[in-house]
Amino acid sequence: DQQVKQNSPSLSVQEGRISILNCDYTNSMFDYFLWYKKYPAEGPTFLISISSIKDKNEDGRFTVFLNKSAKHLSLHIVPSQPGDSAVYFCAASWGGAQKLVFGQGTRLTINP
Amino acid sequence: DADVTQTPRNRITKTGKRIMLECSQTKGHDRMYWYRQDPGLGLRLIYYSFDVKDINKGEISDGYSVSRQAQAKFSLSLESAIPNQTALYFCATSDQLAESTDTQYFGPGTRLTVL
Repeated sequence: DQQVKQNSPSLSVQEGRISILNCDYTNSMFDYFLWYKKYPAEGPTFLISISSIKDKNEDGRFTVFLNKSAKHLSLHIVPSQPGDSAVYFCAASWGGAQKLVFGQGTRLTINP
Repeated sequence: DADVTQTPRNRITKTGKRIMLECSQTKGHDRMYWYRQDPGLGLRLIYYSFDVKDINKGEISDGYSVSRQAQAKFSLSLESAIPNQTALYFCATSDQLAESTDTQYFGPGTRLTVL
């Protein structure tokens, strides 16, 4: 049972445009959500997170939106840059458990 | 220098062999994790340890064992490797005293192939 789902295996966006990556979850106990970015031959690196008490968190070009009623979160990257080409994983945790449940990942390609 | 290191980075072995993957960290974190990544499945938790004396099974622990030799070292063993354990393995750490205790920091990964 996949509790965290990223239904788009890949996404292609033109440089300078907005990239929107989506993630859905089924477990209503999740209260903390994270996005990780992964380049080939490297480990995932933490990008941005959001607590369930918020519906938006921004960090530079990256914004995460959380819609708890829809059990949906999204990552917006504006403007998209070639260096943003990577695999993006969303992850969720609950009650300070410090255990993460990951989605399947979305491969983002930024085209010049 | 990397904060979380994994050795080896690549390993090819045969079915039935015992394999150990090692993870070391200099972040001073108390919590360590082992994940595997398979295409289309994301990262799945194998084992985790909240301190040296605490070892817990994750989602997919069958066929694996771990040892927390010190706060900074956490090793993963495959007692008798089988082909469906071919995957990318990641070690991660987190800090219970951090403002965001759920944020984990990953090593570069070990690509394991079992023939």
